[in-house]
Amino acid sequence: LAKTTQPISMDSYEGQEVNITCSHNNIATNDYITWYQQFPSQGPRFIIQGYKTKVTNEVASLFIPADRKSSTLSLPRVSLSDTAVYYCLVGEGLGRRALTFGSGTRLQVQP
Amino acid sequence: DAGITQSPRHKVTETGTPVTLRCHQTENHRYMYWYRQDPGHGLRLIHYSYGVKDTDKGEVSDGYSVSRSKTEDFLLTLESATSSQTSVYFCAIGTRGGEQYFGPGTRLTVT
Repeated sequence: LAKTTQPISMDSYEGQEVNITCSHNNIATNDYITWYQQFPSQGPRFIIQGYKTKVTNEVASLFIPADRKSSTLSLPRVSLSDTAVYYCLVGEGLGRRALTFGSGTRLQVQP
Repeated sequence: DAGITQSPRHKVTETGTPVTLRCHQTENHRYMYWYRQDPGHGLRLIHYSYGVKDTDKGEVSDGYSVSRSKTEDFLLTLESATSSQTSVYFCAIGTRGGEQYFGPGTRLTVT
């Protein structure tokens, strides 16, 4: 399974754009990149998934360069409620393949 | 919500006793997973299932067993609970697109 590296923590202020970068140097051809969000005492929540270039949904954008060795989760105009731990995972897109969660990035949004 | 429930939500048990945690889904997904999460750590995969009676071990499977006799239910059993198995346990279902949806978690304390 591809190992991922992401910052342990980040701080931001309300209304700012936050970019969290994840490194995955040994990503395989069939691997997708998926991001999850977790609040205290809750299970992780799926945010976004992509394979290459850019993916955007109603909550975030995911940027993936051509070499796919890294990816960046972009959260536009964060609010206090975006304070959470964000996990980057790499694995096959099909549900059969088990994913490995790293330690994640703890995002703290200040007023 | 993805239609996943876990029971019990909280349990305190003594060392050496067997414990079974239940995960129930209403989404008819083939893929189901059991994770544990310890303070300050990401999720670690215990066991997973590709379908009825089709299961496999994750990275921390020692001391745990699972059963999947129906699509909707995935049971996790601690044959003889130990204090090191005190943790929060999350069940998840996986879609064919690779997204996982998590249950609310079970907080297990082994005294």
